[in-house]
Amino acid sequence: EDKVVQSPLSLVVHEGDTVTLNCSYEVTNFRSLLWYKQEKKAPTFLFMLTSSGIEKKSGRLSSILDKKELFSILNITATQTGDSAIYLCAVEALGQNFVFGPGTRLSVLP
Amino acid sequence: DTGVSQDPRHKITKRGQNVTFRCDPISEHNRLYWYRQTLGQGPEFLTYFQNEAQLEKSRLLSDRFSAERPKGSFSTLEIQRTEQGDSAMYLCASSPGVDEQFFGPGTRLTVL
Repeated sequence: EDKVVQSPLSLVVHEGDTVTLNCSYEVTNFRSLLWYKQEKKAPTFLFMLTSSGIEKKSGRLSSILDKKELFSILNITATQTGDSAIYLCAVEALGQNFVFGPGTRLSVLP
Repeated sequence: DTGVSQDPRHKITKRGQNVTFRCDPISEHNRLYWYRQTLGQGPEFLTYFQNEAQLEKSRLLSDRFSAERPKGSFSTLEIQRTEQGDSAMYLCASSPGVDEQFFGPGTRLTVL
């Protein structure tokens, strides 16, 4: 059965800290891995990763994929209170079915 | 607004009633997905359309659930004989043919 696991499930940091969120997966016929940010509404897209070792970067956020070890990390540097959200990892598997992890709830305190 | 829209945004119904939700994807997106999300969980895949064809349906999905996309544009998700366990946020997403998905605001269903 396809599975996506995220850790930690919950994280509390202070503004300015750097955080690393983890996503590991077991899926049939991997196609891509996606990261989303979800606040009090539907998820919004952050990154799509298809190749190992190539870092994707957007401002203070960056992400990288390791297809050999079957995981990805999402880094957020110099965190701000506006980064508080649930960060979802999803993997596109065989048949174009997306499997989501449970999410990491990040709380950034002022 | 050219994003994904869903209607209604909230639905309260009594157990045993039927409900229908609508999703209007971003224009020209040929892929449309339905998900269900409960509190504290990531979205759970329900079903997926490419144009008007329903290509995949979750094995976890009860026969009480049915979805259509008759003209390859908007889609409807119907739940028959609702149960309290159906209470959740129902999310629709569309995709232009690459791997990114754009989500709608969701329909929150409460079954009393």
